Amino acid sequence: DAKTTQPNSMESNEEEPVHLPCNHSTISGTDYIHWYRQLPSQGPEYVIHGLTSNVNNRMASLAIAEDRKSSTLILHRATLRDAAVYYCILRDSGETSGSRLTFGEGTQLTVNP
Amino acid sequence: KAGVTQTPRYLIKTRGQQVTLSCSPISGHRSVSWYQQTPGQGLQFLFEYFSETQRNKGNFPGRFSGRQFSNSRSEMNVSTLELGDSALYLCASSSISLAGGRNEQFFGPGTRLTVL
Repeated sequence: DAKTTQPNSMESNEEEPVHLPCNHSTISGTDYIHWYRQLPSQGPEYVIHGLTSNVNNRMASLAIAEDRKSSTLILHRATLRDAAVYYCILRDSGETSGSRLTFGEGTQLTVNP
Repeated sequence: KAGVTQTPRYLIKTRGQQVTLSCSPISGHRSVSWYQQTPGQGLQFLFEYFSETQRNKGNFPGRFSGRQFSNSRSEMNVSTLELGDSALYLCASSSISLAGGRNEQFFGPGTRLTVL
């Protein structure tokens, strides 16, 4: 799987937007961009994914650069419950890839009250 | 719909013993993947089962094995436990067919294994 690069940590204030960046300069045309987060003492949780177009769901928005070499996860109004490690993961859409996820180190998001 | 369940939640074993962990996927999900999480190595993929067949395997020694039953429940076995096997073992289920990349994974709460 292609590699992603994320900042080790970021801080935000409660009720402010948070933009979590991810670089993936070696992304291939068939790679989907996935985001997961892991809250303390829990298993990872799916957040959002996309291929080329920006995506929105009830949790977050995903903004994908035109060249697809980077993306940004946007939390519109951070809450204390959003404090977690956020993982940006590339997943090949080929039939042999199965369900494997390759996790990097992720970004530890701290939300200040 | 019930989420992914893992049993037991906590386990203490001694070196040389073997252990079996269980994972029940979300109803209707046929893919079950296992991951090991340690402070030093992070989250690492162990293997994936789909329709009772191992479909993908990570870079772990043969002491780590698994299987999947016809009801999609999966077990993971670690033989001859070592101190370094102490970790949080997570399983994830998915409704995926054969095409990867687009599906989301649903993770269980994990089994915390301590090897003394």
